[in-house]
Amino acid sequence: SQTIHQWPATLVQPVGSPLSLECTVEGTSNPNLYWYRQAAGRGLQLLFYSVGIGQISSEVPQNLSASRPQDRQFILSSKKLLLSDSGFYLCAWSVLRGAASPLHFGNGTRLTVT
Amino acid sequence: SQQGEEDPQALSIQEGENATMNCSYKTSINNLQWYRQNSGRGLVHLILIRSNEREKHSGRLRVTLDTSKKSSSLLITASRAADTASYFCATDNAGGTSYGKLTFGQGTILTVHP
Repeated sequence: SQTIHQWPATLVQPVGSPLSLECTVEGTSNPNLYWYRQAAGRGLQLLFYSVGIGQISSEVPQNLSASRPQDRQFILSSKKLLLSDSGFYLCAWSVLRGAASPLHFGNGTRLTVT
Repeated sequence: SQQGEEDPQALSIQEGENATMNCSYKTSINNLQWYRQNSGRGLVHLILIRSNEREKHSGRLRVTLDTSKKSSSLLITASRAADTASYFCATDNAGGTSYGKLTFGQGTILTVHP
């Protein structure tokens, strides 16, 4: 069966420090991968999505970047964190191939920038 | 801005009662999905309804879709305390190459009292 791992679960970082969040998927090949951010336990905002290795699309301009160095690995990064980067970051995968497919989410990373 | 808007923002009921949550959206869709999120956790997919479907059932869940009104409802029958969570609708918008990107609403916080 497919599983998604996301770490760390919580992170407290000072303003101006770098960030690296990692997400890996097991049990499937060539998944679509997504990074979402959730503010204050409310709606999700799509940050990045990827349909293949090295293929990253950004949905909103921001202080963050994403990379997909391997088929089932998705990394969210920042060179210098801002206070506004605080939030709940969720990684997800799907296997959309021309048909409707649900998203499968990791358990998220709670990031607090101080 | 968010495509889906849930109503109500919060709902408090007693165990055994039914819970109804509504979602409105603005643009044409391929499908609409409902997700559940327990506090501090990732989202879990509940049900997907395609644009050419009007009603779908899964256990105690019933989802309706009215594309003419651009709205959907999620009904949870015979609610349990364990149903306490946030519920989100998400739309897979029609047109272009969506790659399964979903647009989430702000969610309904459901509290079921034992």
